[in-house]
Amino acid sequence: GQQVMQIPQYQHVQEGEDFTTYCNSSTTLSNIQWYKQRPGGHPVFLIQLVKSGEVKKQKRLTFQFGEAKKNSSLHITATQTTDVGTYFCGNNAGNMLTFGGGTRLMVKP
Amino acid sequence: NAGVTQTPKFQVLKTGQSMTLQCAQDMNHEYMSWYRQDPGMGLRLIHYSVGAGITDQGEVPNGYNVSRSTTEDFPLRLLSAAPSQTSVYFCASSYHDRVGAGELFFGEGSRLTVL
Repeated sequence: GQQVMQIPQYQHVQEGEDFTTYCNSSTTLSNIQWYKQRPGGHPVFLIQLVKSGEVKKQKRLTFQFGEAKKNSSLHITATQTTDVGTYFCGNNAGNMLTFGGGTRLMVKP
Repeated sequence: NAGVTQTPKFQVLKTGQSMTLQCAQDMNHEYMSWYRQDPGMGLRLIHYSVGAGITDQGEVPNGYNVSRSTTEDFPLRLLSAAPSQTSVYFCASSYHDRVGAGELFFGEGSRLTVL
């Protein structure tokens, strides 16, 4: 399947700071999905982006799909301790839904 | 609505033993899949299915078998367990269309240790 690379692998932020994770591919993606996994938990779906240049917001979270559909980002404004976890991007390549390596977010109160 | 149910939640095996991880969903989803997650790592696709009677290999299929005799169930079999298969296993299901799998619903995971 298409490989998506996620950066950074880890991020420590002070509570109240912003956070961004990036998902990059060398090939055009059909769509991108974002998931959050709390420590010790299972991944939970956040959003799916399909259209070139698409931007979607969920409260403090902003998701973008690049114009060329080769990259995507998740931005969290004013992080809170409840944002702690690992954020994964995933994409469909044919019938396979595969994931990037994830970005682990740690928030210092 | 139970969603995706995985059993067992924890299992310890000895090298060479075989076992089956069970996965059941009650959402009438066509698409089901198995992932493994190693410490600090991402999710790697083992096998997936787009409907009853249809299965296919993912990124890391070696050492695992699956079957899909019903829409609801998608068991994962370890044929001869190895320490390298120590991991957390997640089953997931979704609707499926021409674009691929939609929103994945994950089970709570099965933590497997192979000694």
